[in-house]
Amino acid sequence: KQEVTQIPAALSVPEGENLVLNCSFTDSAIYNLQWFRQDPGKGLTSLLLIQSSQREQTSGRLNASLDKSSGRSTLYIAASQPGDSATYLCAVDSGGGADGLTFGKGTHLIIQP
Amino acid sequence: KAGVTQTPRYLIKTRGQQVTLSCSPISGHRSVSWYQQTPGQGLQFLFEYFSETQRNKGNFPGRFSGRQFSNSRSEMNVSTLELGDSALYLCASSLTAGGWEAFFGQGTRLTVV
Repeated sequence: KQEVTQIPAALSVPEGENLVLNCSFTDSAIYNLQWFRQDPGKGLTSLLLIQSSQREQTSGRLNASLDKSSGRSTLYIAASQPGDSATYLCAVDSGGGADGLTFGKGTHLIIQP
Repeated sequence: KAGVTQTPRYLIKTRGQQVTLSCSPISGHRSVSWYQQTPGQGLQFLFEYFSETQRNKGNFPGRFSGRQFSNSRSEMNVSTLELGDSALYLCASSLTAGGWEAFFGQGTRLTVV
């Protein structure tokens, strides 16, 4: 059974810092890994999708990497801004969608102005 | 283009009642998944539908059921509501089956009293 762990559970940094969020998964047989952002009481916003054959994806100030063999992914946020404050969730697709996504518990990020 | 639409946004129900939640996927998307989000358990997979067929179901009791219509819209039903069913219910749509990017709606906040 796939398990996803995110470290740290919470992070508070001053504006402008670069930061790294970590995600690990127990079964390397995955279709893809997706990073989401969730604002309080809201749905999930897709940030980046990395297919199993890819090593990284970039979108603006965000860069996500994937190392399937070690069961790890990192989300790098450059030049953080207060608007980046949210909970960041990592999710793994192990069954081609049929088994749904397996989510970590998330990293609650606060960017101090 | 319009995103994933979930209705209603908020619901308050009494124990023992039943409830039906609706999800309209992104136009052209044929796969719909449902998730339950609670503070204690995080995001948990309920079920996934593709071409009006339930492909898989998560570890939830039979009180939780769903269906998908020919236009890909989906509904989920919870019968005999319990206090523990209070949660944010999220729907996600993907283009098709097989590990495509998932896009989430804003969710339905269900409170059981």
